[in-house]
Amino acid sequence: NAGVTQTPKFQVLKTGQSMTLQCAQDMNHEYMSWYRQDPGMGLRLIHYSVGAGITDQGEVPNGYNVSRSTTEDFPLRLLSAAPSQTSVYFCASSNTLAGGTDTQYFGPGTRLTVL
Amino acid sequence: GEDVEQSLFLSVREGDSSVINCTYTDSSSTYLYWYKQEPGAGLQLLTYIFSNMDMKQDQRLTVLLNKKDKHLSLRIADTQTGDSAIYFCAESPNSWGKLQFGAGTQVVVTP
Repeated sequence: NAGVTQTPKFQVLKTGQSMTLQCAQDMNHEYMSWYRQDPGMGLRLIHYSVGAGITDQGEVPNGYNVSRSTTEDFPLRLLSAAPSQTSVYFCASSNTLAGGTDTQYFGPGTRLTVL
Repeated sequence: GEDVEQSLFLSVREGDSSVINCTYTDSSSTYLYWYKQEPGAGLQLLTYIFSNMDMKQDQRLTVLLNKKDKHLSLRIADTQTGDSAIYFCAESPNSWGKLQFGAGTQVVVTP
């Protein structure tokens, strides 16, 4: 199993550009999430999905879109990048909703810089 | 402000014990977690404790929970250089499973 994979590892964008961060998992997990990590702030939930075709907003959803057309993939789209979106983005997946005893598996992260 | 608070930095000598502290705010959290993040990597679940427990031991790791004071700690015995990482405390404050993370404690192990 590859676990949770994310691409790209690094990305530099100009303000106003759009892009998609890719996330895939091969563990047949129903639950997937996107977090951003900023210095001194821990991880904050952007969007999450409880299964194919079902997504919902987390704590900081503005400026981001998600879709879940398959169990394996959960891409995160930045519609019009802003410098405030400079961050490290982590995708995670688990068998159950975060908050139980099942482990959330995290991808290696995508480091995004918006100029 | 942060719902989960941790000190930002801890320096410890190799072989000593490390203690990382965390305070949380939501007394309804069912589980509390410790995650480890090594440089350039994602988070890895280290251990968790159920809210009706006071203590959980797992090899070199001991988790203590004081529910009255909403205080959680992680003790690492015989700290090794491989324990250098950022450690995140997290709680699960509501029914739909959002994890609330602290800002992380950077642990540096010196020889």
